[in-house]
Amino acid sequence: DQQVKQNSPSLSVQEGRISILNCDYTNSMFDYFLWYKKYPAEGPTFLISISSIKDKNEDGRFTVFLNKSAKHLSLHIVPSQPGDSAVYFCAASARNAGNMLTFGGGTRLMVKP
Amino acid sequence: DAMVIQNPRYQVTQFGKPVTLSCSQTLNHNVMYWYQQKSSQAPKLLFHYYDKDFNNEADTPDNFQSRRPNTSFCFLDIRSPGLGDAAMYLCATSRDDGRTVDTQYFGPGTRLTVL
Repeated sequence: DQQVKQNSPSLSVQEGRISILNCDYTNSMFDYFLWYKKYPAEGPTFLISISSIKDKNEDGRFTVFLNKSAKHLSLHIVPSQPGDSAVYFCAASARNAGNMLTFGGGTRLMVKP
Repeated sequence: DAMVIQNPRYQVTQFGKPVTLSCSQTLNHNVMYWYQQKSSQAPKLLFHYYDKDFNNEADTPDNFQSRRPNTSFCFLDIRSPGLGDAAMYLCATSRDDGRTVDTQYFGPGTRLTVL
Protein backbone atom coordinates (compact mmCIF):
# COMPACT_ATOMS: atom_id res chain seq x y z
CA ASP A 1 0.00 0.00 0.00
CA GLN A 2 1.60 3.20 -1.22
CA GLN A 3 1.12 5.87 1.40
CA VAL A 4 2.76 8.58 -0.72
CA LYS A 5 2.00 8.77 -4.42
CA GLN A 6 3.25 10.89 -7.26
CA ASN A 7 0.86 10.09 -10.04
CA SER A 8 2.77 11.80 -12.83
CA PRO A 9 5.93 9.88 -13.70
CA SER A 10 7.11 12.71 -15.94
CA LEU A 11 6.47 16.35 -16.71
CA SER A 12 7.79 18.50 -19.53
CA VAL A 13 7.82 22.30 -19.22
CA GLN A 14 9.19 25.16 -21.29
CA GLU A 15 11.98 27.24 -19.76
CA GLY A 16 10.61 30.28 -17.95
CA ARG A 17 7.20 28.74 -17.32
CA ILE A 18 5.86 27.29 -14.09
CA SER A 19 6.45 23.66 -13.15
CA ILE A 20 3.89 22.10 -10.82
CA LEU A 21 4.68 18.73 -9.30
CA ASN A 22 1.99 16.97 -7.31
CA CYS A 23 1.99 14.49 -4.47
CA ASP A 24 -0.84 12.75 -2.60
CA TYR A 25 -0.70 10.89 0.69
CA THR A 26 -3.06 8.67 2.59
CA ASN A 27 -1.65 8.56 6.13
CA SER A 28 -3.27 11.30 8.20
CA MET A 29 -0.49 10.92 10.79
CA PHE A 30 2.07 12.48 8.46
CA ASP A 31 2.99 15.90 9.77
CA TYR A 32 6.14 16.84 7.90
CA PHE A 33 6.64 16.87 4.16
CA LEU A 34 9.73 17.31 2.05
CA TRP A 35 10.74 17.58 -1.57
CA TYR A 36 14.02 16.17 -2.80
CA LYS A 37 15.65 16.62 -6.17
CA LYS A 38 17.76 13.87 -7.67
CA TYR A 39 20.15 13.98 -10.59
CA PRO A 40 21.28 10.72 -12.23
CA ALA A 41 24.00 8.88 -10.30
CA GLU A 42 23.67 11.23 -7.32
CA GLY A 43 21.88 11.09 -4.00
CA PRO A 44 18.69 13.07 -3.38
CA THR A 45 19.27 16.70 -2.49
CA PHE A 46 16.92 18.35 -0.03
CA LEU A 47 14.95 21.13 -1.66
CA ILE A 48 12.19 22.41 0.59
CA SER A 49 9.94 21.21 3.38
CA ILE A 50 6.70 22.10 5.08
CA SER A 51 5.21 21.31 8.45
CA SER A 52 1.57 20.35 8.75
CA ILE A 53 0.88 23.53 10.73
CA LYS A 54 1.50 25.55 7.58
CA ASP A 55 -0.11 25.56 4.17
CA LYS A 56 2.66 27.27 2.23
CA ASN A 57 6.41 27.57 2.37
CA GLU A 58 8.47 29.56 -0.08
CA ASP A 59 12.18 29.55 -0.84
CA GLY A 60 13.28 31.54 -3.84
CA ARG A 61 11.83 29.98 -6.98
CA PHE A 62 10.40 27.05 -5.04
CA THR A 63 7.08 27.04 -3.20
CA VAL A 64 5.42 24.09 -1.55
CA PHE A 65 1.68 24.11 -0.89
CA LEU A 66 -0.03 21.74 1.52
CA ASN A 67 -3.75 20.97 1.49
CA LYS A 68 -4.31 18.80 4.55
CA SER A 69 -7.99 18.21 3.94
CA ALA A 70 -7.22 16.84 0.49
CA LYS A 71 -4.01 15.14 1.67
CA HIS A 72 -2.24 16.78 -1.21
CA LEU A 73 0.92 18.78 -1.62
CA SER A 74 2.48 20.42 -4.60
CA LEU A 75 5.80 21.95 -5.53
CA HIS A 76 5.82 25.02 -7.75
CA ILE A 77 8.96 26.09 -9.56
CA VAL A 78 8.82 29.57 -11.07
CA PRO A 79 10.46 30.32 -13.41
CA SER A 80 11.63 26.88 -14.49
CA GLN A 81 15.20 26.56 -15.70
CA PRO A 82 16.93 23.80 -17.69
CA GLY A 83 19.06 23.03 -14.63
CA ASP A 84 15.87 22.07 -12.79
CA SER A 85 15.60 18.98 -14.99
CA ALA A 86 15.82 16.07 -12.55
CA VAL A 87 13.67 13.55 -10.71
CA TYR A 88 11.70 15.07 -7.86
CA PHE A 89 10.64 12.95 -4.89
CA CYS A 90 8.16 14.00 -2.29
CA ALA A 91 8.49 12.43 1.13
CA ALA A 92 6.46 12.45 4.31
CA SER A 93 7.10 11.61 7.92
CA ALA A 94 5.16 11.29 11.16
CA ARG A 95 6.70 12.62 14.32
CA ASN A 96 5.23 9.83 16.41
CA ALA A 97 6.62 7.17 14.05
CA GLY A 98 10.27 8.04 14.50
CA ASN A 99 10.37 10.55 11.66
CA MET A 100 11.02 7.82 9.10
CA LEU A 101 10.56 9.10 5.57
CA THR A 102 8.08 7.54 3.21
CA PHE A 103 8.88 8.47 -0.37
CA GLY A 104 6.71 8.85 -3.42
CA GLY A 105 7.76 7.20 -6.65
CA GLY A 106 9.21 10.37 -8.17
CA THR A 107 8.39 12.65 -11.09
CA ARG A 108 10.91 13.28 -13.83
CA LEU A 109 10.87 16.97 -14.75
CA MET A 110 12.26 18.05 -18.09
CA VAL A 111 12.66 21.77 -18.67
CA LYS A 112 13.15 22.56 -22.34
CA PRO A 113 15.23 25.59 -23.35
CA ASP B 1 31.53 22.01 4.14
CA ALA B 2 29.53 19.70 6.35
CA MET B 3 28.43 16.72 4.36
CA VAL B 4 27.58 13.06 3.97
CA ILE B 5 30.23 11.04 2.15
CA GLN B 6 29.84 7.60 0.67
CA ASN B 7 32.62 5.33 -0.54
CA PRO B 8 33.03 3.92 -3.01
CA ARG B 9 30.71 5.62 -5.50
CA TYR B 10 30.66 2.51 -7.65
CA GLN B 11 31.17 -1.03 -6.40
CA VAL B 12 31.27 -4.21 -8.43
CA THR B 13 31.09 -7.55 -6.69
CA GLN B 14 30.48 -11.14 -7.62
CA PHE B 15 27.42 -13.14 -6.79
CA GLY B 16 27.77 -14.36 -3.22
CA LYS B 17 30.92 -12.37 -2.42
CA PRO B 18 30.54 -10.20 0.70
CA VAL B 19 30.73 -6.47 0.18
CA THR B 20 30.86 -3.48 2.53
CA LEU B 21 29.72 0.03 1.72
CA SER B 22 30.74 2.93 3.90
CA CYS B 23 29.22 6.22 4.91
CA SER B 24 30.70 9.06 6.92
CA GLN B 25 29.29 12.40 7.98
CA THR B 26 30.65 15.66 9.27
CA LEU B 27 27.24 17.00 10.32
CA ASN B 28 27.43 15.46 13.80
CA HIS B 29 23.94 14.06 13.33
CA ASN B 30 22.81 11.37 15.74
CA VAL B 31 20.67 9.40 13.30
CA MET B 32 22.02 7.56 10.26
CA TYR B 33 19.98 5.69 7.66
CA TRP B 34 20.60 3.24 4.85
CA TYR B 35 18.26 3.14 1.87
CA GLN B 36 18.15 0.94 -1.20
CA GLN B 37 16.97 2.49 -4.43
CA LYS B 38 16.36 0.53 -7.59
CA SER B 39 16.04 2.40 -10.85
CA SER B 40 12.96 4.62 -11.17
CA GLN B 41 11.68 3.59 -7.75
CA ALA B 42 11.40 5.37 -4.44
CA PRO B 43 14.22 4.89 -1.93
CA LYS B 44 13.41 2.05 0.44
CA LEU B 45 14.58 2.28 4.04
CA LEU B 46 16.63 -0.75 5.12
CA PHE B 47 17.53 0.28 8.69
CA HIS B 48 18.68 3.18 10.77
CA TYR B 49 20.72 3.96 13.84
CA TYR B 50 19.34 6.33 16.45
CA ASP B 51 22.57 7.07 18.27
CA LYS B 52 23.89 3.55 18.93
CA ASP B 53 20.49 1.89 18.77
CA PHE B 54 19.99 -0.20 15.66
CA ASN B 55 16.51 -0.29 14.11
CA ASN B 56 15.81 -2.79 11.37
CA GLU B 57 12.87 -2.49 9.00
CA ALA B 58 10.64 -5.55 9.14
CA ASP B 59 11.12 -6.48 5.50
CA THR B 60 14.88 -5.97 5.30
CA PRO B 61 16.50 -9.30 4.39
CA ASP B 62 18.91 -10.89 6.86
CA ASN B 63 21.53 -10.67 4.14
CA PHE B 64 21.87 -6.98 5.00
CA GLN B 65 23.69 -5.95 8.16
CA SER B 66 24.97 -2.66 9.48
CA ARG B 67 27.59 -1.36 11.88
CA ARG B 68 28.07 2.04 13.42
CA PRO B 69 31.40 2.13 15.25
CA ASN B 70 31.09 5.82 16.12
CA THR B 71 28.91 8.87 15.46
CA SER B 72 30.59 9.69 12.16
CA PHE B 73 30.71 6.33 10.41
CA CYS B 74 28.18 3.73 9.37
CA PHE B 75 28.70 0.61 7.26
CA LEU B 76 26.37 -1.52 5.20
CA ASP B 77 27.43 -5.16 4.90
CA ILE B 78 25.84 -7.42 2.32
CA ARG B 79 26.84 -10.91 3.31
CA SER B 80 25.97 -12.79 0.13
CA PRO B 81 24.92 -10.42 -2.63
CA GLY B 82 22.43 -11.71 -5.13
CA LEU B 83 21.61 -10.32 -8.55
CA GLY B 84 18.53 -8.70 -7.04
CA ASP B 85 20.69 -6.65 -4.68
CA ALA B 86 22.10 -4.57 -7.51
CA ALA B 87 20.91 -1.06 -6.74
CA MET B 88 21.92 2.39 -5.55
CA TYR B 89 22.55 2.43 -1.81
CA LEU B 90 21.96 5.75 -0.13
CA CYS B 91 23.13 6.86 3.28
CA ALA B 92 21.34 9.69 5.02
CA THR B 93 21.67 11.50 8.33
CA SER B 94 19.49 13.68 10.50
CA ARG B 95 19.46 15.26 13.92
CA ASP B 96 16.67 14.08 16.15
CA ASP B 97 16.40 15.29 19.73
CA GLY B 98 13.03 13.66 20.23
CA ARG B 99 11.20 16.95 19.94
CA THR B 100 12.25 18.62 16.72
CA VAL B 101 11.65 17.19 13.28
CA ASP B 102 14.77 17.52 11.20
CA THR B 103 15.55 17.05 7.57
CA GLN B 104 17.38 13.99 6.31
CA TYR B 105 20.47 14.78 4.27
CA PHE B 106 21.66 12.23 1.75
CA GLY B 107 25.06 11.21 0.51
CA PRO B 108 25.77 10.76 -3.20
CA GLY B 109 25.10 7.04 -3.07
CA THR B 110 27.02 3.90 -3.98
CA ARG B 111 25.91 2.06 -7.10
CA LEU B 112 26.36 -1.66 -6.56
CA THR B 113 26.69 -4.04 -9.49
CA VAL B 114 26.52 -7.79 -8.90
CA LEU B 115 28.03 -10.01 -11.57
